[in-house]
Amino acid sequence: SQQGEEDPQALSIQEGENATMNCSYKTSINNLQWYRQNSGRGLVHLILIRSNEREKHSGRLRVTLDTSKKSSSLLITASRAADTASYFCATDQAGTALIFGKGTTLSVSS
Amino acid sequence: NAGVTQTPKFRVLKTGQSMTLLCAQDMNHEYMYWYRQDPGMGLRLIHYSVGEGTTAKGEVPDGYNVSRLKKQNFLLGLESAAPSQTSVYFCATRLAGGLLSYEQYFGPGTRLTVT
Repeated sequence: SQQGEEDPQALSIQEGENATMNCSYKTSINNLQWYRQNSGRGLVHLILIRSNEREKHSGRLRVTLDTSKKSSSLLITASRAADTASYFCATDQAGTALIFGKGTTLSVSS
Repeated sequence: NAGVTQTPKFRVLKTGQSMTLLCAQDMNHEYMYWYRQDPGMGLRLIHYSVGEGTTAKGEVPDGYNVSRLKKQNFLLGLESAAPSQTSVYFCATRLAGGLLSYEQYFGPGTRLTVT
C-alpha cells in the first residue's frame, strides 16, 4: 500500500504564480523527500526534510512538514514553464526504502 | 560518469517469455532498487538490495526475481511475463548510512510491453 498521497492530482498555473502541492502519509517517518519527474524521464531528487525539521528551503522550493498531522507541502515560487513535471513525495520509515505517493502533475503555461 | 544506466530502454515481450533488465551504476552506491511505475499509481517498490549478494522483497515482488552478484549491477528478471507486468521499470541507487545518503538516484527507465 502506498504511504503518501499527493493533493491535488493535477495543477495548472501561469508562469510567475506559486504552486503548492500537499502530501499526506499514514505512519511515522524518518524523513520525507520530494522528487520531480519530467515526462518520460527518471525521477530527480529535489529536497529532503527530516522528521525533526518543520521547514526547509532550496532555491525557489519551500517544504514544510507537520508530523502531528502527518502531512507535508511543497511550494514552488515564481513558477516557470520548465517546472512543468510530475512531483512525488516519498516517505522513509526505516532508512532503507522509500514509499512513493501517486504524484501531482503540474502544468505551467507561459 | 554515466550515473545509473538501464538496459534495454524498450522491450516488447509475448506472454510467457522471459527477460532480464540490467541496472548498472558507477557511483559506488551500496543500495539499489527496482520500481515499477504504472499510470496513476506512482512508483511501487519491487525488490531492493542493501549490498552485494543481498536482496529483499518490496511491495510488489510477485513474478519477479533479482540478483546482485556485483556491487555495480542489479538484475531484474521476469521468468514468465504476463500482460500485468506491462509497465515502466526504474532502477535507483543510494549510499548506505548517514543523513546525506538518503537521496536516491534514478536511471532513465525501461518501458516494457507484454502482449
